[in-house]
Amino acid sequence: GNSVTQMEGPVTLSEEAFLTINCTYTATGYPSLFWYVQYPGEGLQLLLKATKADDKGSNKGFEATYRKETTSFHLEKGSVQVSDSAVYFCALNENFNKFYFGSGTKLNVKP
Amino acid sequence: NAGVMQNPRHLVRRRGQEARLRCSPMKGHSHVYWYRQLPEEGLKFMVYLQKENIIDESGMPKERFSAEFPKEGPSILRIQQVVRGDSAAYFCASSPSGQEGYTFGSGTRLTVV
Repeated sequence: GNSVTQMEGPVTLSEEAFLTINCTYTATGYPSLFWYVQYPGEGLQLLLKATKADDKGSNKGFEATYRKETTSFHLEKGSVQVSDSAVYFCALNENFNKFYFGSGTKLNVKP
Repeated sequence: NAGVMQNPRHLVRRRGQEARLRCSPMKGHSHVYWYRQLPEEGLKFMVYLQKENIIDESGMPKERFSAEFPKEGPSILRIQQVVRGDSAAYFCASSPSGQEGYTFGSGTRLTVV
C-alpha cells in the first residue's frame, strides 16, 4: 500500500539556520510527491511538488528532490525565517483520487 | 475567485447530537474530497465525490458518517450521534478534473463535549 513517513518534531532552529525535514514513502506505482504547509488555525497550502523521479520542486527558498532509489523527498531550506514557523506535511498522490499524508513536522524558528 | 469555502469554522456539539459540515468547492470544480485530521496527526482521506456521486468512500467509518454532493449546493459531511473521538479538524478539497488543481479549504474544527 501507500504510506508516507516523516521525521517527528518539533524541530527548533535559530533564524538563518539550515533546515532539513526528512520524508520517505512507500508506493505501489509512480506517485507524485508534495510538501504542504499549515499555519496555525489554517488549512493546507501547497508548498512544492515533483511529479517524477529526479524532479526538483522549489518555492519560496524551499526545495525537495524526488529520489526514487531511496524513496525519499526531503525538504530543505538554506536559511529559515521566523515566518517559516508552521507544520510541514509530506504527501503522495498516485491518481489524484486521494492523498496520503505524513504525520507532520512542526518547525519553530526563533529570532 | 474565492477558494474552497468551509463552514462553520468551529462547531461544538454535545455527545449524541448531529454535526453537519459544509464545503463549497472553487468555481468550476466538480470534484470534492473530505479529510480528517486528528490532533497531532496528518490528514486521513475519508471520501471522494463528484456531483451526485460517491466515487471512493474507502476512508469513511462504516457507521454514523455520510457524505453527499448534490447537483446544486455545497457538499455536506454528516456525522450522526457524535462521540468524543469525532473531535477533529475536517478539511475539504476540490479540483476541476480530479487530475490537478487540488485546493484545500481552511477546515471545520469539530469539538464534541
